[in-house]
Order: sequence, then structure tokens, then C-alpha cells
Amino acid sequence: SQQGEEDPQALSIQEGENATMNCSYKTSINNLQWYRQNSGRGLVHLILIRSNEREKHSGRLRVTLDTSKKSSSLLITASRAADTASYFCATEGNKLTFGTGTQLKVEL
Amino acid sequence: GAGVSQSPSNKVTEKGKDVELRCDPISGHTALYWYRQSLGQGLEFLIYFQGNSAPDKSGLPSDRFSAERTGGSVSTLTIQRTQQEDSAVYLCASSLRQGNNEQFFGPGTRLTVL
Repeated sequence: SQQGEEDPQALSIQEGENATMNCSYKTSINNLQWYRQNSGRGLVHLILIRSNEREKHSGRLRVTLDTSKKSSSLLITASRAADTASYFCATEGNKLTFGTGTQLKVEL
Repeated sequence: GAGVSQSPSNKVTEKGKDVELRCDPISGHTALYWYRQSLGQGLEFLIYFQGNSAPDKSGLPSDRFSAERTGGSVSTLTIQRTQQEDSAVYLCASSLRQGNNEQFFGPGTRLTVL
């Protein structure tokens, strides 16, 4: 079964708006990673947050982690059309387990 | 340097045939992973290698699936007697070592079983 579950499954916003995606997981983790996938092919690593971290930033990305609630959020600020993609959270215990993803569409 | 490469990029085969999918990881990466992604779904873990050994084969769907890695580098995923439900994108990733590391993904092989 999937370890991570993303919410929402699909999100459509206007360029310039912020996009927030959430991820919930079930078991204890070493770290949580977010990946982006364009056109159903290879994934690109965005950011990794360790279990002892609460927040991390990378450019327009902000990730939070709440281990007590077993949840994480990915915020993309000032979205662009090029941000249109599927976003997956992945949790690492002894292997990386991916959620089902959020499909983000940023419209001009 | 070069990223993870996979071949072929697309494979169409008939039900019952065997297929081999190849993955060339980033040089120096000791860990290699295979995933399967069906249309509109998340990634399903299949198997990972640390060096040439596969400590976790738990994700392989059936005994028709096997994988090997030689020389700590190239890996081959073999599907015997393919079925239509095997149709998916097969993704390979590598990382410096297993655990707590960013995984670098290849572009995938899209397998279609007719």
C-alpha cells in the first residue's frame, strides 16, 4: 500500500498564485522528499527534509514537516506555467515509498 | 556528467513474449532502484540493488519479473511471458548509496503489451 497520500489529487491555479500540496504518511521516517514529474516520465528531485527538521526553503519552494501529525506540505510561491506537473512526496525508511501525486496545472 | 539512462525508451511487445529493460546509472552510484508507474498512478517500488546484490525484492509483482546488476553498474529488468497488465512506464533511479539520499531518475521505458 502507498505510504504517502497527497492532497489534493488535482489543483488548478492561475499564474502568480501560490500552490499548496499536502502529504500524509503512516509510519516513522528518516526523511521526506518531494519530486516533480513532467509528462509521465522521469522524476526530478525538488527538496529533502529530514525528520528532525520542521521547515526548509529552496527558491520558490517551501516545505514543512510535522512528524507528530505525520504530514508535510509543499508550497510553491508565485507559480508559473512551467510549474505544471505532477508532484509526489516520498518517504524513506529502508526504501523510498511514493504517494499517488498531485497534478498541478498553472494557467496563464 | 551523464545522468541515468534507460533503453529502450519505448517497447511494444506481444503478450507472452519476454522483454529486457536496461538501466545505466550515474557513474559511482552504488544504489540502483526499479519502479513501475501505471497510467495516472504513483510509483510502485519493484527492487533495489546495493552494489550487485538485491537486499529487497519485495516489490516484484510475480516470478515472471527478475532483475540483475553486474559490475555495480548496468542493471537489467527482465519480464518473462509478458501480460497486458505489465503495460506501464518502468523507471530506474540511482543514488550515491541506499538510504537518505536523493534519487536521480532516468527517463523511463514505456512498455506496451498488446
